[in-house]
Amino acid sequence: EVQLWESGGGLVQPGDSLRLSCSVSGFTFSNYGISWVRQAPGKGLEWVAAMSGSGGFTFYADSVKGRFTISRDKSKNMVYLQMNSLRAEDTAVYYCAKDIRTLSCLDMWGQGTVVTVSS
Amino acid sequence: QSALTQPASVSGSPGQSITISCTGTSSDIGRYTYVSWYQQHPGKAPKLMISDVSNRPSGVSNRFSGSKSDNTASLTISGLQAEDEGDYYCSSYTTNSTLLFGGGTKLTVL
Repeated sequence: EVQLWESGGGLVQPGDSLRLSCSVSGFTFSNYGISWVRQAPGKGLEWVAAMSGSGGFTFYADSVKGRFTISRDKSKNMVYLQMNSLRAEDTAVYYCAKDIRTLSCLDMWGQGTVVTVSS
Repeated sequence: QSALTQPASVSGSPGQSITISCTGTSSDIGRYTYVSWYQQHPGKAPKLMISDVSNRPSGVSNRFSGSKSDNTASLTISGLQAEDEGDYYCSSYTTNSTLLFGGGTKLTVL
């Protein structure tokens, strides 16, 4: 069974850093891309970042480029989202999701982890 | 890059059919078949309903169907049921190598 489980969310102050983790199981890590998608309170879905199945390619939304970094540890079946220079507008539920390719279609999602950026 | 354009809300009575549109540009929907639709219930993670414009994943009811014409994709739900109520989002791959979501449509089953 394919499963994704996010962790690492919390309350931080503007300018702080936070690293989100996504534990994956039930599929071959190297065959599928992984994306991070966020949803601000009461708002719609916003794609944030993605990594290809090979791990050789990463992609970012303009709103986080230069501040967020997606990475993975294949040995641990973990994907990470390092978030630096956090802003109030980064407050959201962050989901990791498995892609059927890369940047195409997200067929399995985690339950989400909440990030709140506030002073 | 602006979000794909969806109506804010649609509604229908049980048994009826509704269609949700998703309008993009020649840089996303108009160029690629990587168009997907997601259903989201309050407090829950999104669920994939349609992939690659019109493919229905295993386990998704055949009451859900998708199509695309030029820069606009559409999701049609036939035989509306109370459980279909929720938020629906479209997404598309873009020429900027990003994934773009629509603003979301709230479906109300009357």
